[in-house]
Amino acid sequence: NAGVMQNPRHLVRRRGQEARLRCSPMKGHSHVYWYRQLPEEGLKFMVYLQKENIIDESGMPKERFSAEFPKEGPSILRIQQVVRGDSAAYFCASSPTGGAGNEQFFGPGTRLTVL
Amino acid sequence: AQKVTQAQTEISVVEKEDVTLDCVYETRDTTYYLFWYKQPPSGELVFLIRRNSFDEQNEISGRYSWNFQKSTSSFNFTITASQVVDSAVYFCALSDPNRDDKIIFGKGTRLHILP
Repeated sequence: NAGVMQNPRHLVRRRGQEARLRCSPMKGHSHVYWYRQLPEEGLKFMVYLQKENIIDESGMPKERFSAEFPKEGPSILRIQQVVRGDSAAYFCASSPTGGAGNEQFFGPGTRLTVL
Repeated sequence: AQKVTQAQTEISVVEKEDVTLDCVYETRDTTYYLFWYKQPPSGELVFLIRRNSFDEQNEISGRYSWNFQKSTSSFNFTITASQVVDSAVYFCALSDPNRDDKIIFGKGTRLHILP
């Protein structure tokens, strides 16, 4: 049973470009969480999604960031018009259900560098 | 509001010494989960332990042990006979099934084990 997969592992973008980060949850998991880790910081919650639904996006910046988790395929975190401050590690975690005390399994992260 | 505080930003010890990493949390909920994660220099998150709020038994796993004390809202982590491979950033974290299991992370403690 493969773990949570994220790709790409490293992503370099110039200011103003778009970044797309992908997260494939563990098999059988229909809930995905995205977290951001700024340099020298802990992880911070961004968004929680269920298949085809955004449940909680209270941690997402109001502009330029969006997330989706379609019926088929991976969850996507999209950052438009990236700025240097978006440079961070982005982790996703998956769970079979949400709000039931289930463990979240983390992917290896995508390290975004904005030049 | 929920909060996790790791007061020790950085610790250095000589190999084979014991070291304790402190964690203090805040929550008004009675049901919650506490975690410790390790982040080695390679950057991935390594799950170490998950403990629910109703289980105050201390846990030991090899050289690792955890002391959960609800009375002081603390969940401290001790490494016995430290090794150079234990060098990493360690995160304490808290989640609440009533809040969709979102994980709140502390800022981490960077541990250096000196040979």
